[in-house]
Amino acid sequence: LAKTTQPISMDSYEGQEVNITCSHNNIATNDYITWYQQFPSQGPRFIIQGYKTKVTNEVASLFIPADRKSSTLSLPRVSLSDTAVYYCLAEVGSGGSNYKLTFGKGTLLTVNP
Amino acid sequence: NAGVTQTPKFRVLKTGQSMTLLCAQDMNHEYMYWYRQDPGMGLRLIHYSVGEGTTAKGEVPDGYNVSRLKKQNFLLGLESAAPSQTSVYFCASRRQGFLYEQYFGPGTRLTVT
Repeated sequence: LAKTTQPISMDSYEGQEVNITCSHNNIATNDYITWYQQFPSQGPRFIIQGYKTKVTNEVASLFIPADRKSSTLSLPRVSLSDTAVYYCLAEVGSGGSNYKLTFGKGTLLTVNP
Repeated sequence: NAGVTQTPKFRVLKTGQSMTLLCAQDMNHEYMYWYRQDPGMGLRLIHYSVGEGTTAKGEVPDGYNVSRLKKQNFLLGLESAAPSQTSVYFCASRRQGFLYEQYFGPGTRLTVT
């Protein structure tokens, strides 16, 4: 089962691009990575997911290099409201006896004015 | 469409008491999960279910039991609560298959004295 490791905290300023990297060993070809955002006293909410190369949606991008030993969440032009904890999740298998998942411990992103 | 709901929102137990946390989802999702969240530990998987009538252990299953008698409900039981089970508990659900995100409930804050 993949173990996911991410930085405990990061600081940024409004308008900057922020990149948060998650390291994960033993990720197979069809295993995928999902990133979640969590505000205090709320449940996590989905940001983006993917299993190879690059994925982009309206709020973020996700980069997974060819060796698949890490993934990077990229948040363009952050604002104060992006201050939150960000979690990466590695999911192995698609169901049945081989299905496993593990969350990273989370990265507290603080965006300063 | 309420999404994922959790009952109760708060609860205080004395050591040795028992209780059941209820998670309900109205999205017809096959997969359901129970996590606990403690400071500095991120989200840790307690138990999960890939379908009605099936359950499996996660990372920290000791002291908890679960049941999935109906597809829309996932119950988490504490038979004899201990102070170490003081935590915030989150339930989540998702569709079966590849590249589907989890939808989280608002959480249950449990204190065991």
